[in-house]
Amino acid sequence: DIQMTQSPSSLSASVGDRVTITCRASQGISNSLAWFQQRPGIAPKSLIYAASSLHSGVPSKFSGSGSGTDFTLTISSLQPEDFATYYCQQYNSYPWTFGQGTKVEIK
Amino acid sequence: QVQLVQSGAEVKEPGASVKVSCKASGYTFTNFHMHWVRQAPGQGLEWMGIINPSGGSTSFAQNFQGRVTMTRDTSTSTIYMELSSLRSEDTAVYYCARGSSIPLDYWGQGTLVTVSS
Repeated sequence: DIQMTQSPSSLSASVGDRVTITCRASQGISNSLAWFQQRPGIAPKSLIYAASSLHSGVPSKFSGSGSGTDFTLTISSLQPEDFATYYCQQYNSYPWTFGQGTKVEIK
Repeated sequence: QVQLVQSGAEVKEPGASVKVSCKASGYTFTNFHMHWVRQAPGQGLEWMGIINPSGGSTSFAQNFQGRVTMTRDTSTSTIYMELSSLRSEDTAVYYCARGSSIPLDYWGQGTLVTVSS
């Protein structure tokens, strides 16, 4: 199985900050990488697929990059609704696997 | 609009089975694969498996081989996930999600399954 490792596991940031979350795959996955946002008690929401493509309706403050084994999710200007947990996920091969999550908290 | 509506919460005893449903609407049911993902309390996301609603073929994560069954009913655009031999570690929220060129693009609201004696 492909292991996905996110860093950091949590971070504290202020409204307006720019934040970056990284995700590393244990082997190359091309650009078969998705990012999800999950608020407490709610189902995950698709943000990005194919490493850098925004899902319909997702604001452009979210951006993704990377290929192979190293990927990043950037939120350009944090707003109150962005405080949540973010997961990366590889879909290059089965079983699909997720990172452990990065919790973005208010400083 | 795409909607995935799941069945309600369940409480089961250890050793029992649970069957969760997920009814799809707003798109052609047989054109998109469907996945099941679970999340234990306070934990991350775990992919369980996939079903092709068109032909019914399935593939499961090794962790669930032999204990999980995924089926579909094309007449009602509904998929089902049945997990047997339940143990306390299976207590989790179970999600269905649609797969396309955009993986897991729409999710159900989740179904809490509690395993407790």
